Amino acid sequence: AQTVTQSQPEMSVQEAETVTLSCTYDTSESDYYLFWYKQPPSRQMILVIRQEAYKQQNATENRFSVNFQKAAKSFSLKISDSQLGDAAMYFCAPIRLTFGKGTLLTVNP
Amino acid sequence: DVKVTQSSRYLVKRTGEKVFLECVQDMDHENMFWYRQDPGLGLRLIYFSYDVKMKEKGDIPEGYSVSREKKERFSLILESASTNQTSMYLCASSWGRGADTQYFGPGTRLTVL
Repeated sequence: AQTVTQSQPEMSVQEAETVTLSCTYDTSESDYYLFWYKQPPSRQMILVIRQEAYKQQNATENRFSVNFQKAAKSFSLKISDSQLGDAAMYFCAPIRLTFGKGTLLTVNP
Repeated sequence: DVKVTQSSRYLVKRTGEKVFLECVQDMDHENMFWYRQDPGLGLRLIYFSYDVKMKEKGDIPEGYSVSREKKERFSLILESASTNQTSMYLCASSWGRGADTQYFGPGTRLTVL
């Protein structure tokens, strides 16, 4: 069975600081795509960042970057210079159509 | 911008009622999905569809059915609603099968009394 684990149900960060959200998974597939999604309070889920498993280079999108360790099946999300608008539930989806349980990120002013 | 809409933001139904949740996307996406979201459980896939009139079971299809008569519309049906189906239901769509970003609707919060 394919599993996704987000080991941090909740995290908090000070505004302007850096925070890393973890995600590990188990899959037998070799070529796949990995996603992080963000769900702000009472708002729609949106894509944060996407990584292709065949690429060695970690994806970066402005203040958001990933640390993808394929052999370790780890896919963490780093948010730099955290802003109040980053407060949300974050879901990783490293396996096709399978999501983690989410990490609730609080940003403190 | 891709737009995925869901027919209701909030819905209250009685046990045993037949419930229809509608989802419409405006970007000609091939694929559409229904998830339910529960605290502490994340998103769980109920059903998905890769083409009109096609449907495939997800991880938790029991108690649900779906209909996709037109490409842009994907309906989730609760034949006889039960209290354990009280949840947030999210619809999503995408171009490709798993490699592509999913675009989500705003969700329908269903309460079954």
